[in-house]
Amino acid sequence: NAGVMQNPRHLVRRRGQEARLRCSPMKGHSHVYWYRQLPEEGLKFMVYLQKENIIDESGMPKERFSAEFPKEGPSILRIQQVVRGDSAAYFCASSPPGSGGTDTQYFGPGTRLTVL
Amino acid sequence: GENVEQHPSTLSVQEGDSAVIKCTYSDSASNYFPWYKQELGKRPQLIIDIRSNVGEKKDQRIAVTLNKTAKHFSLHITETQPEDSAVYFCAASITTGYSTLTFGKGTMLLVSP
Repeated sequence: NAGVMQNPRHLVRRRGQEARLRCSPMKGHSHVYWYRQLPEEGLKFMVYLQKENIIDESGMPKERFSAEFPKEGPSILRIQQVVRGDSAAYFCASSPPGSGGTDTQYFGPGTRLTVL
Repeated sequence: GENVEQHPSTLSVQEGDSAVIKCTYSDSASNYFPWYKQELGKRPQLIIDIRSNVGEKKDQRIAVTLNKTAKHFSLHITETQPEDSAVYFCAASITTGYSTLTFGKGTMLLVSP
């Protein structure tokens, strides 16, 4: 059973470009969470999605950031017009379905975004 | 919203010693408290978790205690080994169908041989 997959592992963008980060949850998992980790900081929640639905985006910046989890394919975190402050490690986590999901979240290896 | 404080930020111990990391949380409704270990450049890995209906949980050399009244929980690692060296994060969440984790800032544990 493959774990949570993320790609790319490293992404370099120039200011103003778009960044697309992909996350494939563990097999059988239907809940995806995205977190951002700044250097020497803890992880901060951004958004929680189920298939085709954004359930909680309270941690995501209102502008330039969007997320989706289509019926087919991976979850995508999209950052438009990147700025240097977007440089961070972006982790996704997944959890299995249940009566609304379970607590335990399994993390992917992360995408390290560097904005030049 | 929830706020999690974690101490110490760094901890150095000798191999074989015990290590204790402490966290406090602000929201009394929080009911799930996981601990993650993150090695440099790697993914956070769940090492132990505890729910609010128990006060202590053990798994070999690792134990977690929870004091709901005081709103704090602690990670205890006994007989530390060099491979325990990593950054440890505590987290808290309110589970109402799903749980968004609020993390502490992490503790860098260094175990010297």
